[in-house]
Amino acid sequence: AQTVTQSQPEMSVQEAETVTLSCTYDTSESDYYLFWYKQPPSRQMILVIRQEAYKQQNATENRFSVNFQKAAKSFSLKISDSQLGDAAMYFCAYGDNYGQNFVFGPGTRLSVLP
Amino acid sequence: NAGVTQTPKFQVLKTGQSMTLQCAQDMNHNSMYWYRQDPGMGLRLIYYSASEGTTDKGEVPNGYNVSRLNKREFSLRLESAAPSQTSVYFCASSVSRSRQETQYFGPGTRLLVL
Repeated sequence: AQTVTQSQPEMSVQEAETVTLSCTYDTSESDYYLFWYKQPPSRQMILVIRQEAYKQQNATENRFSVNFQKAAKSFSLKISDSQLGDAAMYFCAYGDNYGQNFVFGPGTRLSVLP
Repeated sequence: NAGVTQTPKFQVLKTGQSMTLQCAQDMNHNSMYWYRQDPGMGLRLIYYSASEGTTDKGEVPNGYNVSRLNKREFSLRLESAAPSQTSVYFCASSVSRSRQETQYFGPGTRLLVL
């Protein structure tokens, strides 16, 4: 079974600085999808970024970018120019290519300090 | 365009009582999902419906039943609630389950079983 690990239960960053959240996963598949979801205090789950494993290029969305290392099974999220509104729980998630499995990691709580 | 809506937002049950959590989406999505979120853990899939008329078990289906009433609606039923089912429940939908299309989440239902 696939597993997703987020080794940092909590992180903090100064406003306007850059922070990187770590995620590793375990799979024997070669094609799959990886996601970062954000959950602010409102509890609403919001997609931050989606990466298709067969694409070599790292996905980016404005201030959010990933470092996808397929061989190392690592998928870290970099947040640049951090803003107070970035404070939230961040979940890494894995989805297989067949639509059979979708697994979330335990999450990292990010605090942004003014 | 409301996206994914869930009712109720909060519910308190006594052990042994039954209830149905309602979910509806207005995005014409084919696939719908029910997750539960417990402290310190990511979301875990309870059941999903890849398309209208089909339902399948996820990672933690015991104690739950689901109904895909039509393309828009997907309900989750607890026949005999137990304290272990105290959790936050999220409904989600996506265009399709294959290729792991982006899932859009509802605001969640907080359930307390005494």
